[in-house]
This record gives sequence, C-alpha cells and structure tokens, in this order.
Amino acid sequence: DAMVIQNPRYQVTQFGKPVTLSCSQTLNHNVMYWYQQKSSQAPKLLFHYYDKDFNNEADTPDNFQSRRPNTSFCFLDIRSPGLGDAAMYLCATSSLGGRDEQYFGPGTRLTVT
Amino acid sequence: AQTVTQSQPEMSVQEAETVTLSCTYDTSESNYYLFWYKQPPSRQMILVIRQEAYKQQNATENRFSVNFQKAAKSFSLKISDSQLGDTAMYFCAHRIQGAQKLVFGQGTRLTINP
Repeated sequence: DAMVIQNPRYQVTQFGKPVTLSCSQTLNHNVMYWYQQKSSQAPKLLFHYYDKDFNNEADTPDNFQSRRPNTSFCFLDIRSPGLGDAAMYLCATSSLGGRDEQYFGPGTRLTVT
Repeated sequence: AQTVTQSQPEMSVQEAETVTLSCTYDTSESNYYLFWYKQPPSRQMILVIRQEAYKQQNATENRFSVNFQKAAKSFSLKISDSQLGDTAMYFCAHRIQGAQKLVFGQGTRLTINP
C-alpha cells in the first residue's frame, strides 16, 4: 500500500547532540511537510517542500533544518536539540491538484535527555 | 489570516450514542476545503472526511457526516452509533484552494465510554 513512512518511530538524543529524522513516501506526492506536535496540541507546521522549493515558517527556530534530496525522501535535522524540542514529529504529504488532503506518517517521538 | 476554532476541548459520550463536534473557521476566500482528521491515542493521524466549499451537499462517510454552513462558517462533525474505536483527538482543518498549508483547530478530545 502507498504510504508515508517515518524512521525511527522513537528517538532519544542528548541535549545539544544533532539528530536527524527521516520520512519517505510511496505516494509520489509533490509536497512534503514537517510538523511538531506536543501533547494534546494541534500539529505545528515547521516547514514544507513543494517539489524542491523549501518553505520555512516564520516562527520555526533556526535550529531546525530540512533536506529533500528527491521526491520520495525528506529529512528533519535538529542541530542542537533542547529539552523544549521533545515532541512528536509528523511528516505529511499532499498532491496539489489531486485530492488535496494531507497524508500523515505515524510520527517520530523525540526524547531529549 | 485563516483561523479555525474548536470550542470543545473535551467530550465524552456512551457507546452507540450520537455526538457532534463543532468547528468554526474564518476566511475571506470563497474556494477552500475543510477536513476532519482523527488521531487515536499513540496512533497515526488519518483523514475522516473532507468537504469542498463549492459543494452544497454535506459530505458523508459511513457513520461520519458533516453539517457545513458556509454563510455561518461552521463545519461540524456528527458521529452516529459511536464506537469505542472512535476515541481519539479530532482536528478540524481548513485549506484555501491552491494553498499548500493546512490550518488546524485546537482539537477536541473525544472519549467513547462502554
């Protein structure tokens, strides 16, 4: 089945130690999104790629970066994780011009020790 | 700017009852989409139902239906014959046609009790 896959599902990192989360999709969607979700809150958009075009949200800290080497993969890099960065990170995709809804991955729960 | 408001942080009903989750939104656009997403505890967010603003007919997906009132900018979700598996956070979301981003509401935590 076509889907959005996130690895790892759980990630523990140390304060200040860089970490990379990955997302892949088999839907061939042109847009990929990264969200941060804290407990019982709505997902907060960090940035998204429309094809190769990177779109950063104005309030996304510089500590968060992203790469999209090809259509299928997108990475979230946290350069120096702080305790406040502990959260669920959701990847999503959509196909503009198609049905338009976003398809979400299962998320990566990040713990910062 | 677009906003989405869910005024019910938590709701709880008995199994087999009908429950309605409310959502209001604000936009100056005329062409847009509305969505309800479900996020069960520790599980993946999935789409429950979608509505195109240009369609007058309310969307229905099995036990899930919406009451879309465009003039009032209201988009409520009705769950009929609720089941234990309906227990989840429910997010209302809005997207302008042609835009790439969703605007989410704050979410409603729904608990279905046996």
